[in-house]
Amino acid sequence: AQSVTQLDSQVPVFEEAPVELRCNYSSSVSVYLFWYVQYPNQGLQLLLKYLSGSTLVKSINGFEAEFNKSQTSFHLRKPSVHISDTAEYFCAVRRYSGGGADGLTFGKGTHLIIQP
Amino acid sequence: EPEVTQTPSHQVTQMGQEVILRCVPISNHLYFYWYRQILGQKVEFLVSFYNNEISEKSEIFDDQFSVERPDGSNFTLKIRSTKLEDSAMYFCASSDRGTGAETQYFGPGTRLLVL
Repeated sequence: AQSVTQLDSQVPVFEEAPVELRCNYSSSVSVYLFWYVQYPNQGLQLLLKYLSGSTLVKSINGFEAEFNKSQTSFHLRKPSVHISDTAEYFCAVRRYSGGGADGLTFGKGTHLIIQP
Repeated sequence: EPEVTQTPSHQVTQMGQEVILRCVPISNHLYFYWYRQILGQKVEFLVSFYNNEISEKSEIFDDQFSVERPDGSNFTLKIRSTKLEDSAMYFCASSDRGTGAETQYFGPGTRLLVL
């Protein structure tokens, strides 16, 4: 079984400041790692994912996340946040699957609050 | 851009009643999923569906739940006899593959309140 821990339920940050949203996972098998974002009144949208290769992955809107296998972490960062980044951010894992369709295992989410 | 849609956006029902939540996945997708999020808790996987049958299901998905693809476009979740603890946001998702690496695309959710 897998589990995901997001240590911060809320993170308030001033606009244009850097932010880090923490995510740790536990799994007895190899997993893929995801960050999803949920804007108010919308569904979850994929922000970025780590499958293999370079441990640093980037999204088109300036977010990046680094996979650290030894620390079983996949923290999300942005060097300078904008008001429009206000949303709920969910870290998730999914095990390698050979033909079934496993669900994602999510953390509880972190509410990113951008203050002007 | 294609998207997953869900109806209704909100549903209120009495305990013991049956409810059907509806989803229209992205048209060329083959795998379909239901998740739920009880207020203040994690988003939890319920079930996945492929080739007209359940592919995987969690411990939450007991006999009171069922899924169906009644036609070529809809994907439904039925709760036979609702309980107070079924109150949650229910998300539908779809993907084009089932390898684990592909992106699952989520709908906006249906908020179910059981009184």
